[in-house]
Order: sequence, then C-alpha cells, then structure tokens
Amino acid sequence: DAGVIQSPRHEVTEMGQEVTLRCKPISGHDYLFWYRQTMMRGLELLIYFNNNVPIDDSGMPEDRFSAKMPNASFSTLKIQPSEPRDSAVYFCASTLWGRNYGYTFGSGTRLTVV
Amino acid sequence: SQKIEQNSEALNIQEGKTATLTCNYTNYSPAYLQWYRQDPGRGPVFLLLIRENEKEKRKERLKVTFDTTLKQSLFHITASQPADSATYLCAPSLGATNKLIFGTGTLLAVQP
Repeated sequence: DAGVIQSPRHEVTEMGQEVTLRCKPISGHDYLFWYRQTMMRGLELLIYFNNNVPIDDSGMPEDRFSAKMPNASFSTLKIQPSEPRDSAVYFCASTLWGRNYGYTFGSGTRLTVV
Repeated sequence: SQKIEQNSEALNIQEGKTATLTCNYTNYSPAYLQWYRQDPGRGPVFLLLIRENEKEKRKERLKVTFDTTLKQSLFHITASQPADSATYLCAPSLGATNKLIFGTGTLLAVQP
C-alpha cells in the first residue's frame, strides 16, 4: 500500500480564495482524521469520520471550514474563504479500529494564505 | 479542558545513552496512549501504543510506561543513535474513543 496520500503538497493562495485539500486513506481503514499543525498550537484535530460518516467536527474552527468523505477512498477539506491565519500544515490520517496500531499519517499539505 | 505537557525544551544526549521523554496529562482519563515520531517536513509516524491496564510496553530499543495514578507516560530510547534525532509526540486517547489529543512534542537531539 502506498500509505495515506495527500494532495497538493504545497498550496499558496490569496486571502479570500477557496482552498480544497485532498486525502486518500489506506484501503480497508475505517477511520479518517483531519489535523492541522502549527508551531503555536501543535497538532489539532479538526474532524474525523468513521465509515465515511462524520463523527466529531468540534475541532473545525469556523463555518469557513468544511469536510466531506463521499466514499471510503477519498476525503476533502475545504476552506472558503481562506484567511492568513489558516496558514498551517494540514494532515490527513487513517486507522483501522480494534487493531493494536496507531494512525497512519499522510505527508501533509503546507498551506500558505497571503 | 484536557491538557498534555511534554518537555518543552529540546533534549540533548550523547550517542549510546538512554533518552527519557516525559508526557503528563490532566483533566481526563485516557484508555490508551500512543507515541509518535515526527521528522521535519513529514507526517508523524506511529511507534507504540500502551493501554491503561498495561504498565510497560517494549519494542526493540523503545520502552513506554503508563502510570494512570500519576497521569504520566515515560518514553525511553536505549542505546540512542543520531538517527533517533526527531520530535517525539505523546498522544493520549480521549477516553475509550478513537480520538487522540496530541502533545506539542519534545525535540530529541542525539550527538555523535
């Protein structure tokens, strides 16, 4: 398996623009997580899904953020409109519940909003 | 609210020594706790999971302890090598859920 795949690796956009981040989890995993990492706040959980259904979105900072998982092999995180304070590295991770191993993270998307 | 504290300062040790990293948590009771390694520009990589009914877990040169009374986990790397230099993240679960709360990490630097 190629692991968790995220795209793009880097995104630079202007304030006010819509940004869409993409994630392909590991095949067979039933949980998918979106995290955001900054120097100040570390890794923050934004939202997670179980079997494509959103379970907890309490970490989504504002209504400008939305996430979808239309099928077991694809998820998106959208920011509209983007703001400079959204600049961070966004990670997607997946796991299979009940197994004695942890999350598998993607390589992340570094978002810069100017 | 839940709070996780890891050594905020970088830990510098000499090659061959044992590195010990600390993770303290407050205001909740995790059912399990995980440790991750993160290298610059990469996503975290899972290392070990320890459950609340386990006192200690080992994997090769790694050892993790979990003290639910002290609300603390210790992460040890024995016979450390320069290749072990990275940031190590502690992640207790939120109760028995699949949700992890990550600490801010400890930067470990192993000097040759």
